[in-house]
Amino acid sequence: QVRLQESGPGLVKPSETLSLTCSVSGASMKTSFWSWIRQSPGKGLQWIGNIYYSGSLNYHPSLKSRVTISVDTSRNLFSLRMTSLTAADTATYFCARFESRREGYNFIPRGHFDTWGQGSVVTVSS
Amino acid sequence: EIVLTQSPDTLSLSTGDRVTLFCRASQSISDSLLAWYQQKPGQSPRLVVYGASSRATGIPDRFSGGGSGTDFTLTINRVEAEDFAVYFCQHYGGGLITFGQGTRLEIK
Repeated sequence: QVRLQESGPGLVKPSETLSLTCSVSGASMKTSFWSWIRQSPGKGLQWIGNIYYSGSLNYHPSLKSRVTISVDTSRNLFSLRMTSLTAADTATYFCARFESRREGYNFIPRGHFDTWGQGSVVTVSS
Repeated sequence: EIVLTQSPDTLSLSTGDRVTLFCRASQSISDSLLAWYQQKPGQSPRLVVYGASSRATGIPDRFSGGGSGTDFTLTINRVEAEDFAVYFCQHYGGGLITFGQGTRLEIK
């Protein structure tokens, strides 16, 4: 069974940098895409970005300048780094597996998230 | 960027009712790239339907998805107490992922 677990600070000061890690168990990181999604209090879901183990990346256009996603297959985890935080970045941050299918030697996204972490609450406040 | 608009924002209904949730895309999309999620308070979202009409593992058959082009639906036959939650649609295309704003199902 695939499990994802987020870890990171619950409180970050304005203008500082957020670093979150998602630990993956029960799946090879080389067979899927891995994602970060956030949800502001009482609001909807916002996709942040995807990464494939090879380093292939996609980011939400509005966050691209402040976000870096990286993967460490040796430790079975992937990470989110977001700079210049403001109160608007206060949210629950989820990591998720973006399911893929094999096509030859490659894995292609199937278009949906089949497994989510439980979420990490991040508050931006001084 | 594809914009997904869900309607209505909130639905009040009773257990046993049949309900249809709507998701409209700002332009025509491939139905293979449209999914629905259920989220209960304090929980992470749970995949309900993918590829517009395929139920995810463990989802009861009272849930069904449909639609094509720009208009998609999620129908729940005979709503049960455990189904009261917020439902989001989601699309993947051109390397980007977007979510609808959500529809809340509440008990009448």
